[in-house]
Amino acid sequence: QKEVEQNSGPLSVPEGAIASLNCTYSDRGSQSFFWYRQYSGKSPELIMFIYSNGDKEDGRFTAQLNKASQYVSLLIRDSQPSDSATYLCAVNAGGTSYGKLTFGQGTILTVHP
Amino acid sequence: EPEVTQTPSHQVTQMGQEVILRCVPISNHLYFYWYRQILGQKVEFLVSFYNNEISEKSEIFDDQFSVERPDGSNFTLKIRSTKLEDSAMYFCASSEVDREDTGELFFGEGSRLTVL
Repeated sequence: QKEVEQNSGPLSVPEGAIASLNCTYSDRGSQSFFWYRQYSGKSPELIMFIYSNGDKEDGRFTAQLNKASQYVSLLIRDSQPSDSATYLCAVNAGGTSYGKLTFGQGTILTVHP
Repeated sequence: EPEVTQTPSHQVTQMGQEVILRCVPISNHLYFYWYRQILGQKVEFLVSFYNNEISEKSEIFDDQFSVERPDGSNFTLKIRSTKLEDSAMYFCASSEVDREDTGELFFGEGSRLTVL
């Protein structure tokens, strides 16, 4: 059974701080990794994807991937109250449709003013 | 901006009834998916669909479920005889390509199914 694990939180950070979200996955053959944001009652919204070891930056967001440790993280710099949401880590196993994703249970992030 | 649209936004049905959830994917997309999320639980893959046939399905997607693309725009999920445990938010998603670097999934806003 391919698993994606996240700390459910809630993670609470002050406005302007760095929020660090972590995710581990069980399938060593996993190839593509995604971070989605989901507001309560809404659909997942893609923030970033990464498929090579190392860091990938997009604005205030940085995704980090370590395939040897089977670990992927998301850093949010200068956190804003509007970043308060559930952050979902998702993994594609490779060799299957890239749209077939295994999601973690999500980390609830609260950014307080 | 193009978007995936789903109808209905909320459906309440009695156990044992048939339900059809409808989706209109983004017009130039070729790959279609259904996911579901039971309240408070993970988003789970149900099925992927390409070139008018199922390309992959999960263990959840048993004989009670079926998908169809009846015309050039709609993509439907049918649940033949609903059970209480089918109560969930059902998300349709589509992508233009099936590649790791550009195959972004675009999700619809979801259809909430409540089975009584």
